[in-house]
Amino acid sequence: DIQMTQSPSTLSASVGDRVTITCRASQSISSWLAWYQQKPGKAPKLLIYKASSLESGVPSRFSGSGSGTEFTLTISSLQPDDFATYYCQQYNSYPITFGQGTRLEIK
Amino acid sequence: EVQLVESGGGLVQPGRSLRLSCTASGFTFGDYAMSWVRQAPGKGLEWVGFIRSKAYGGTTEYAASVKGRFTISRDDSKSIAYLQMNSLKTEDTAVYYCTRPPSIAAAGGEGYWGQGTLVTVSS
Repeated sequence: DIQMTQSPSTLSASVGDRVTITCRASQSISSWLAWYQQKPGKAPKLLIYKASSLESGVPSRFSGSGSGTEFTLTISSLQPDDFATYYCQQYNSYPITFGQGTRLEIK
Repeated sequence: EVQLVESGGGLVQPGRSLRLSCTASGFTFGDYAMSWVRQAPGKGLEWVGFIRSKAYGGTTEYAASVKGRFTISRDDSKSIAYLQMNSLKTEDTAVYYCTRPPSIAAAGGEGYWGQGTLVTVSS
């Protein structure tokens, strides 16, 4: 199975900050990576697919990059609505696996 | 508007069975694969498995943790996907989400999720 490792596990930031979350795969997954945002008690929401494609309706302050084994999710200017938990997901091969999550909290 | 509504969750004893349903609307159900993802209380997301569309044989893939115990099926005439869970263990306690990938034959990059249904396995 492909292991997905996110860093950091927790990130404290302020409104307006630029933040980056990293996801590393244990082997190459090409660009088959998605990013999700989840708020407490809610279903996850797709932000980015194929490593860098922005899902329809998602604000342009979210961006994704990377290929192979190293990927990043960047939020260019944090808004109050962005404080949540973020997960990466590889779908290069089965079983599909998720990272352990990054909790983004208000500093 | 795409909607996915899970049902069938509840409290069940270890070793027993439970079947979850996912009723879909707002799209041509038979044209898409369907997936299940779960989340144990206070934990991260875990992929459970998925079923391809009938055009790709309706074949399935599962996580190792559920393989041989869980079965995903679909009824395209009713637009329902099922998750049959047998030999349940306490570690299967989780919110179970039905999701729709953008593909007919592959999972991943799911843009549509249901609200989830809680399954509690306890004696």
